[in-house]
Amino acid sequence: GEDVEQSLFLSVREGDSSVINCTYTDSSSTYLYWYKQEPGAGLQLLTYIFSNMDMKQDQRLTVLLNKKDKHLSLRIADTQTGDSAIYFCAHNNAGNMLTFGGGTRLMVKP
Amino acid sequence: DTAVSQTPKYLVTQMGNDKSIKCEQNLGHDTMYWYKQDSKKFLKIMFSYNNKELIINETVPNRFSPKSPDKAHLNLHINSLELGDSAVYFCASSQDVNSPSLDEQYFGPGTRLTVT
Repeated sequence: GEDVEQSLFLSVREGDSSVINCTYTDSSSTYLYWYKQEPGAGLQLLTYIFSNMDMKQDQRLTVLLNKKDKHLSLRIADTQTGDSAIYFCAHNNAGNMLTFGGGTRLMVKP
Repeated sequence: DTAVSQTPKYLVTQMGNDKSIKCEQNLGHDTMYWYKQDSKKFLKIMFSYNNKELIINETVPNRFSPKSPDKAHLNLHINSLELGDSAVYFCASSQDVNSPSLDEQYFGPGTRLTVT
């Protein structure tokens, strides 16, 4: 998606933390999301954050939102090999249609 | 039980053909969507539909049309298929597009369309 940008690739070692970043241009969204896509599978909602929040923690996942800079990040603590996947950030528009970033492929090395 | 299902999983067809992809959700949701994921993994919304309103992404060619026989189904019909239509198409559903709370979308497993 042109108005939601992510880096293409991230490689980490098992047990390290992963930080996946996303920038967006549309400031009118109500929610911002992180989705996970495993090979050959559909998308799974990992977590979300309401646009008036700046942080949300959910077990190993921490979402940070800097609304002023239009920057969203997803931190995965203690990354495991099962976390290897493509991670998409997204925001909702009119009609609850989602605009996705291009996805970040996370590779976790043992 | 599969929440959002799509058929077929794979579809290979020739240019110029007309094809349909079916989507069914058993969640009782009011709104359904179609997304297209290209070879570079870019995901784009194509349609949002409930029993009141169809919202079309303006970039979608009119060869693509959603058809909803009932609330649980939103099929995607494609006329005069082109090579550039090759992609993975995902169906999704959510409870209510007008809900003020989080309106999580549940995605189907995708249909890989290959146009030769």
